Amino acid sequence: DAGVIQSPRHEVTEMGQEVTLRCKPISGHDYLFWYRQTMMRGLELLIYFNNNVPIDDSGMPEDRFSAKMPNASFSTLKIQPSEPRDSAVYFCASSAGSRGETQYFGPGTRLLVL
Amino acid sequence: DQQVKQNSPSLSVQEGRISILNCDYTNSMFDYFLWYKKYPAEGPTFLISISSIKDKNEDGRFTVFLNKSAKHLSLHIVPSQPGDSAVYFCAASPSNYQLIWGAGTKLIIKP
Repeated sequence: DAGVIQSPRHEVTEMGQEVTLRCKPISGHDYLFWYRQTMMRGLELLIYFNNNVPIDDSGMPEDRFSAKMPNASFSTLKIQPSEPRDSAVYFCASSAGSRGETQYFGPGTRLLVL
Repeated sequence: DQQVKQNSPSLSVQEGRISILNCDYTNSMFDYFLWYKKYPAEGPTFLISISSIKDKNEDGRFTVFLNKSAKHLSLHIVPSQPGDSAVYFCAASPSNYQLIWGAGTKLIIKP
């Protein structure tokens, strides 16, 4: 299995632009998580899905952030408009449905908003 | 309000010695705990876990200890190797499928 795939690996954009991050979870996993990692706040859960349905988006910082999961093999995290304080590493992770099942992380997307 | 705390941002250990990483939590509803390891430019990878019904779990050089009364867990690595140099995250699972993460401890193994 290729593991969790994220694209792009790096993204540099200007303030005000729309940014779309993509994730392909491990096949068969029915939970998908989006995280953000910054020096100041560490690893924060933004939103997670179960069977393509958003379960908890309380970690999404603002309305500028949105996430979708149109099918079991694809999810997007969109920031519109982007701001410099959104600069961070964004991780996608997936897990199987068992309680306490470990999460498998993608390599992350390093976002820099100028 | 941090529910999972890793109070040591970094730890330096001599190769071959024991590394002990600590984690404290505040929520008594947490019943499953995990340690993840992260190298630069990579996502965290699962290392070892423990259920609250146990007080110890061992996997090779890695052992996790859980003290429920103190709401404390620790990860022991023995002997420490240069490849163990990484950031270690402690995570706790409440009654849903989320993981609550600590801030991480950077472990440096000196040759």
